[in-house]
Amino acid sequence: LAKTTQPISMDSYEGQEVNITCSHNNIATNDYITWYQQFPSQGPRFIIQGYKTKVTNEVASLFIPADRKSSTLSLPRVSLSDTAVYYCLVGDSFSSGSARQLTFGSGTQLTVLP
Amino acid sequence: GAGVSQSPRYKVAKRGQDVALRCDPISGHVSLFWYQQALGQGPEFLTYFQNEAQLDKSGLPSDRFFAERPEGSVSTLKIQRTQQEDSAVYLCASSLLATNTDTQYFGPGTRLTVL
Repeated sequence: LAKTTQPISMDSYEGQEVNITCSHNNIATNDYITWYQQFPSQGPRFIIQGYKTKVTNEVASLFIPADRKSSTLSLPRVSLSDTAVYYCLVGDSFSSGSARQLTFGSGTQLTVLP
Repeated sequence: GAGVSQSPRYKVAKRGQDVALRCDPISGHVSLFWYQQALGQGPEFLTYFQNEAQLDKSGLPSDRFFAERPEGSVSTLKIQRTQQEDSAVYLCASSLLATNTDTQYFGPGTRLTVL
């Protein structure tokens, strides 16, 4: 499994756009990139997933450059309630096979300040 | 209430006691996972069920850990003779199918403290 590297923590202010970058230099051809969010005393929650270029949903955008060695999670106009730990995961979803466990790193603690 | 539920939410055990943690997955979900999350760390995989079959238990840290899902729905994670290093949050996740593209939905976890 490709190893990921993320900043340990980030601070932002309400209303700002936040970009969290994840490095995955040894990502494999079949690997996809997924981001999860975790609030205190809750389990992780799926945010977004992508393979290349840009993916956008109602919560966030995911930017993946052509070499796919990094990815950036973009949260538009954050609020206090976006304070959480954000995990970047890299894994293989394109080969056939049964369900697989997720491999989490230590994540990025995002703190949104008023 | 369509989410994954876990009980108890908090459990305090004396060292050497046995504990049982329960997971109620989303109804109809085939796959069920258990993870262990230490303070300040990301979750780490323990074991995986597809219906009632335990297909992967490679993450269980010792033979004191045992999991079951006898009817393919509710699952129980049992820890025998608890040790202080077992203190952690135990998370359960389920997914609809048994393919590697499915989103996993997590419960709130059970925080186990071993004194």
